[in-house]
Amino acid sequence: DIVMTQSPDSLAVSLGERATISCKSSLSVLSSSNNKNYLAWYQQKPGQPPKLLISWASTREFGVPGRFSGSGSGTDFTLTISSLQAEDVALYYCQQYYTTPWFFGQGTRLEIK
Amino acid sequence: QVHLQESGPRLVKPSGTLSLTCAVSGGSITSDNWWSWVRQSPAKGLEWIGEISHGGSTNYNPSLKNRVTISIDKSKNQFSLKLTSMTAADTAVYYCANFSGTFNSWGQGTLVTVSS
Repeated sequence: DIVMTQSPDSLAVSLGERATISCKSSLSVLSSSNNKNYLAWYQQKPGQPPKLLISWASTREFGVPGRFSGSGSGTDFTLTISSLQAEDVALYYCQQYYTTPWFFGQGTRLEIK
Repeated sequence: QVHLQESGPRLVKPSGTLSLTCAVSGGSITSDNWWSWVRQSPAKGLEWIGEISHGGSTNYNPSLKNRVTISIDKSKNQFSLKLTSMTAADTAVYYCANFSGTFNSWGQGTLVTVSS
């Protein structure tokens, strides 16, 4: 199994400041055949299902604001929100889709300082 | 994007069987995707339960494999989850989702409580 671990568990950032969330996988999710990282990021607001933000570690989904970016490769990944907005308060999850069983990280709660 | 909607009983007795259905609209369940069930609880976070292809192939989480069955009904454009031998640890919000590597579309989720 490829287990995902996020840090920190919770994070408080001032409006307009940068927020950074880390995600580590227990095994590499980088495919040697296509050089792609099978890593996704989701955002979940209260009372809503998760929403896909980023796939392939760094590809933003259509309609996701440019302040969201993903980076990393292999086993270490980062979600960065460059300038925190009030509407970004949410839980954030990473997920590997390299091999089943699909695993999510435990989540990071992002709040306003 | 397709729209997904879960339905089924919200209360299950201990040792009972959970049966949920996910109705798919805005697209065909026979499209080249997988259809998944994911649950969320405070204790375990987001947990993938399993998935089924339009052709009926299934993959299950090994931690639940002995208790899970996912099936598809193409005539009704829906798929279903059965989870047997329910305990309090299975109390969670259950989501159905469209999966093509990532979970692209999700239902709103249904809270299932295991209690006598």
